[in-house]
Amino acid sequence: GQSLEQPSEVTAVEGAIVQINCTYQTSGFYGLSWYQQHDGGAPTFLSYNALDGLEETGRFSSFLSRSDSYGYLLLQELQMKDSASYFCAVRGSGNTGKLIFGQGTTLQVKP
Amino acid sequence: DAGVIQSPRHEVTEMGQEVTLRCKPISGHDYLFWYRQTMMRGLELLIYFNNNVPIDDSGMPEDRFSAKMPNASFSTLKIQPSEPRDSAVYFCASSFRTSGGAETQYFGPGTRLLVL
Repeated sequence: GQSLEQPSEVTAVEGAIVQINCTYQTSGFYGLSWYQQHDGGAPTFLSYNALDGLEETGRFSSFLSRSDSYGYLLLQELQMKDSASYFCAVRGSGNTGKLIFGQGTTLQVKP
Repeated sequence: DAGVIQSPRHEVTEMGQEVTLRCKPISGHDYLFWYRQTMMRGLELLIYFNNNVPIDDSGMPEDRFSAKMPNASFSTLKIQPSEPRDSAVYFCASSFRTSGGAETQYFGPGTRLLVL
C-alpha cells in the first residue's frame, strides 16, 4: 500500500525558518509533491521533487531523499500569510495519474 | 484560463435529498479528480477520470455516490440520497499528463456541502 506521514501541527514565529517533514511508503516512486491550503481555500501546488536534493523556489525549498523515503518542505523568513496547511503527496502506484495525500501539517505563524 | 470551476459553492440540503455537484476542468487537461475533505478524514480521493473515462472509483464511499464525465469540459458528482455524514468540502481538480514532471493538480474552489 501507500502511506505518508507528516506532523499534524507546527508552530513558529514570524521571520523564523520551519521544516515540515514527510515520510512515505509506496510501491514504486514517481516523485514527491507539496501543496499549500489556506483555511477556507483550495490546495495549491508548491513544489515537486523527482530526484534527490534540494529544489528552491523563493522562500520555499523542498528536499528529497529517495533512499530514506523522506522529504521536507523548508519555509524561510516566515510571514503571517504562511499560516496554512501543507500536504505532501506521492503519485499512485503504477505511475497512475492520481496523487495520494498526507494528512497535512497545520503551520501556525505567530508574531 | 479561468481555472477549475465548481458549482454551487455552497449547498445546504436536508437528509434524503439529491445533491449534484458540478465541475468544469481547465481546458486541455485530460485528468479530472473528485476529492472530499473533512477534519476527521482529511483529503480523500473519491474518483478520477482520464479522457472522460472513470479509472479508479475505489474511494467512492457507497452506492449513494455516483460521478459522470459526459465530455471533456464537464463532470458531476451526485449523492442520492444525501446523509448528514456527507457534509464536507468537495473539491474537483484537473491535471495534464506529461511524460515526466509534477503533473500539477489544479483545484477548484470547492463546494461546501451541509446536509441537515
